[in-house]
Amino acid sequence: QSALTQPASVSGSPGQSITISCSGTSSDVGGYKYVSWYQQHPGKAPKLMIYDVSNRPSGVSNRFSGSKSGNTASLTISGLQSEDEADYYCSSYTSSRTSVFGGGTKLTVL
Amino acid sequence: QLVQSGAEVKKPGDSLKISCKGSGYTFTDYFIGWVRQMPGRGLEWMGIIHPGDSDTRYSPSFQGQVTISADRSITTAYLQWSSLEASDTAMYYCARRARGTSNWALWGQGTLVIVS
Repeated sequence: QSALTQPASVSGSPGQSITISCSGTSSDVGGYKYVSWYQQHPGKAPKLMIYDVSNRPSGVSNRFSGSKSGNTASLTISGLQSEDEADYYCSSYTSSRTSVFGGGTKLTVL
Repeated sequence: QLVQSGAEVKKPGDSLKISCKGSGYTFTDYFIGWVRQMPGRGLEWMGIIHPGDSDTRYSPSFQGQVTISADRSITTAYLQWSSLEASDTAMYYCARRARGTSNWALWGQGTLVIVS
């Protein structure tokens, strides 16, 4: 199974909105509702931001939202803040009954 | 919480078993997954185990390379190598989810493995 495809980097100014895409196939992203998104700051463990495509865990800001259309999932961050600067990874369940991550996207807040 | 064993420095060819101890929840109700992060690189799912029924699944890249196991009696999951290589140098994380969801909300602190 191949890694899901994410842009290597995105950037935005404070207060703006950005969207990170995560492209897969019908055997992963397109075939299941089990897409999740993770934020990782340098030297830290990943933190779950979105699960099951669009659900937010308790404690995660409502500035973070997720969606899916066909084989592509998206993470949108609105009202960008400096603390949002981090690496973001998508993950999907696959037809092999395992999971796969995207390659990761570095978010820079200008 | 999930508490992982401490950092390891090993030589090529050595064997190694690192651990992930779950507490504060019913250990047999959740999958434990293992994730590799090589230096400066992204996250990679290695495999998962359900301690309740020992259902174990490996990602294709890791099948045959590592062994995932769990001991319900001490609520601990393991990731094991029989012969380490320098390319196994990485941070390894464990995480937890229930069946029927992608809610990997609980993560261990990570175990750094250096093979040199």
